[in-house]
Amino acid sequence: DTEVTQTPKHLVMGMTNKKSLKCEQHMGHRAMYWYKQKAKKPPELMFVYSYEKLSINESVPSRFSPECPNSSLLNLHLHALQPEDSALYLCASSQETQGLHYGYTFGSGTRLTVV
Amino acid sequence: GNSVTQMEGPVTLSEEAFLTINCTYTATGYPSLFWYVQYPGEGLQLLLKATKADDKGSNKGFEATYRKETTSFHLEKGSVQVSDSAVYFCALTAPGGTSYGKLTFGQGTILTVHP
Repeated sequence: DTEVTQTPKHLVMGMTNKKSLKCEQHMGHRAMYWYKQKAKKPPELMFVYSYEKLSINESVPSRFSPECPNSSLLNLHLHALQPEDSALYLCASSQETQGLHYGYTFGSGTRLTVV
Repeated sequence: GNSVTQMEGPVTLSEEAFLTINCTYTATGYPSLFWYVQYPGEGLQLLLKATKADDKGSNKGFEATYRKETTSFHLEKGSVQVSDSAVYFCALTAPGGTSYGKLTFGQGTILTVHP
């Protein structure tokens, strides 16, 4: 299995809703990442987990809450989002934290719309 | 800090034309360099990579050579196809410091290939 699987593929939520994005990989990668991508822009890093511990939080608002229950699974819990949070949310994994030699494997993303 | 600069697009070519997308970088230490491709409505796919100076990455007819003296990693393809239409991102990871675990992207280049 050489994939990163993200669910759901599309999500529409109201500003008072609570929802979660899920990411799963079975490649034995020990680093997992959340990125946010707005249209026609490069992805922006949100969080990095290394060996199931949060190692980087790029000053992301607390309405985004990451969780890494085990080495294969990464969640992003969403609460009280704003319309400007609408974007493509990408999960990625790498064999080691910096992905220096093997690169990063990205999922196909969850397209989130906040109404 | 680390940065990646890509040629501005969009780039429009006819099928079988030669493609060059320029990429230059600034980084501390010895970065690894990547080209990612994003097809419409999809996540990012690793196209090719190079981890040290003079390395040539290649995949699906695309090539890029890690040039330390000119801090460049230009993407080339001898004969493009309509199916190559996508957004191309140059990116790097660099060891240590505050960039630990972070993939730095260029702004992306939109490529459109016409029959």
